[in-house]
Amino acid sequence: NAGVTQTPKFQVLKTGQSMTLQCAQDMNHEYMSWYRQDPGMGLRLIHYSVGAGITDQGEVPNGYNVSRSTTEDFPLRLLSAAPSQTSVYFCASSHPAANNNEQFFGPGTRLTVL
Amino acid sequence: ILNVEQSPQSLHVQEGDSTNFTCSFPSSNFYALHWYRWETAKSPEALFVMTLNGDEKKKGRISATLNTKEGYSYLYIKGSQPEDSATYLCAFPNQAGTALIFGKGTTLSVSS
Repeated sequence: NAGVTQTPKFQVLKTGQSMTLQCAQDMNHEYMSWYRQDPGMGLRLIHYSVGAGITDQGEVPNGYNVSRSTTEDFPLRLLSAAPSQTSVYFCASSHPAANNNEQFFGPGTRLTVL
Repeated sequence: ILNVEQSPQSLHVQEGDSTNFTCSFPSSNFYALHWYRWETAKSPEALFVMTLNGDEKKKGRISATLNTKEGYSYLYIKGSQPEDSATYLCAFPNQAGTALIFGKGTTLSVSS
């Protein structure tokens, strides 16, 4: 199993550009989440999904959209990038019945918005 | 939103020192506490999941305890090694129980 994969690994955007961060998992996990990591802030939850077709907002959802058309994929969209969205983005998945929702993380996408 | 506090924010120790840090949380409505280890340029990895008051878990030189009544968990590292240098995060299930809310972490640096 590849686990959780994310693409791209690195991305530089200009303010106002849009892009989609890809996330996929092959563990048949129902739950998937997006987090962002900023210095001194730990990990903050952006959006999460409990299954195909169902998404909800986390702690810091503004400026981001998500969709979950399949169990495997959970893309994160930035419609109009802002410098405040410069961060490292981690996707994670989990199974509701496994070890109290232990999260399995992807390798991260480092995004810079100029 | 659940208020999770970790202290200290950062810690620097010498190789061989033992150390510990704290995760504090509201003691009401406790469900589970997760500890993660996060090395620079890597992904966070789960260390422990703790659910019962008085729980104590151990993995090699790292152990953790849980006190749900007073709202804290301690993470201990015995005989720190340079490879223990990382950020240690504690986390709790979000309200829906489908993702985690993380503390800001304690960054440990171990010098040889």
